[in-house]
Amino acid sequence: DQQVKQNSPSLSVQEGRISILNCDYTNSMFDYFLWYKKYPAEGPTFLISISSIKDKNEDGRFTVFLNKSAKHLSLHIVPSQPGDSAVYFCAALGTGTASKLTFGTGTRLQVTL
Amino acid sequence: DAGVIQSPRHEVTEMGQEVTLRCKPISGHNSLFWYRQTMMRGLELLIYFNNNVPIDDSGMPEDRFSAKMPNASFSTLKIQPSEPRDSAVYFCASSFGRTTAIYGYTFGSGTRLTVV
Repeated sequence: DQQVKQNSPSLSVQEGRISILNCDYTNSMFDYFLWYKKYPAEGPTFLISISSIKDKNEDGRFTVFLNKSAKHLSLHIVPSQPGDSAVYFCAALGTGTASKLTFGTGTRLQVTL
Repeated sequence: DAGVIQSPRHEVTEMGQEVTLRCKPISGHNSLFWYRQTMMRGLELLIYFNNNVPIDDSGMPEDRFSAKMPNASFSTLKIQPSEPRDSAVYFCASSFGRTTAIYGYTFGSGTRLTVV
């Protein structure tokens, strides 16, 4: 039972345009959401996170939006660059003291010239 | 800091053989996680430890899988006997409890396991 879902396995965007990666979740007990980026032959690296009490968090070219009522979050990359080509994973952290992250299946982003 | 260190980077083994994957977490981190990456399920949590104690092993697929953390600086994931469907990339990650989990775990580079 996939509690965190990324329904688009891949996305192709032109350099300079906006990339929008989407993520849906089913568990209302998640209180932090994170995005990770993964290059081939490397481990995932943390990109940006958002608390469930916020609806937006921005860090440079990366912005994460959270819609709690829809149980949906998205990652916007503006402008997209070829170095952004990677697999992006959405992850969620439950409430309380637990530190377990639940990940989605990932979306492969290809930024073309 | 050298980060989370996993060994080996690649492992090719024959079906039925025992496989042991190793992980050294970041010094001072008290939580350690083993994940498996597959196309179908993405990053799937197998087991995690807090202060060397297994907290949640509900993701361990079956009895063929076992994990240990004998001390704060070392963990192993063992598959015995291995099967072709175990072929995947296995990642180890560590954090300092929930505090650093909010800002992201640190992952190792992974072990690519191929069972033929």
